[in-house]
Amino acid sequence: DAGVIQSPRHEVTEMGQEVTLRCKPISGHDYLFWYRQTMMRGLELLIYFNNNVPIDDSGMPEDRFSAKMPNASFSTLKIQPSEPRDSAVYFCASSFGGSLAQYFGPGTRLLVL
Amino acid sequence: GQQLNQSPQSMFIQEGEDVSMNCTSSSIFNTWLWYKQDPGEGPVLLIALYKAGELTSNGRLTAQFGITRKDSFLNISASIPSDVGIYFCAGPLGSGTYKYIFGTGTRLKVLA
Repeated sequence: DAGVIQSPRHEVTEMGQEVTLRCKPISGHDYLFWYRQTMMRGLELLIYFNNNVPIDDSGMPEDRFSAKMPNASFSTLKIQPSEPRDSAVYFCASSFGGSLAQYFGPGTRLLVL
Repeated sequence: GQQLNQSPQSMFIQEGEDVSMNCTSSSIFNTWLWYKQDPGEGPVLLIALYKAGELTSNGRLTAQFGITRKDSFLNISASIPSDVGIYFCAGPLGSGTYKYIFGTGTRLKVLA
């Protein structure tokens, strides 16, 4: 079975550009999570969805960040405009029901110049 | 805010040695999770602990839920090269939430 799929795996962009990260959760999973990992701040939860509905977005750093989940098999995390301090690895994870096991994707390495 | 502090931050060990690491919090947790992250990959759940004092094993890995509910421990016996990676503890911020906080991580390197 395919795991969580993220694209692109790597993204290099210039400050001010819009960045869109994509995620396809594991089929049948009803929870989807977006995390950001940096050396300074470690792994931080940005937002999570249940049945395509955002439940907690308190980790979203600024209005420049937005996330959507138009259907059960697709989610996007958008940064507009991007800034150098947004450089990080962004992970998407999914889980099923009440399970504590979150399955992480391979991540998107974002570099904003 | 809440923090999960892990120690040691990093460790170099010889293949075959046992490894111990811990995770401490200033707040009580009802669940403790241990993840491993390989280079260039996302974290993978190793062990989940649900009550104080619980001791759970997964192969060569053993984790314990501290009785104060403010700490947890992970042991790896007879380490092998593929144990290399970063080990994270994590726990939910409050009950009934999937909002997890992750620890600072312990980076393990195994020398063959």
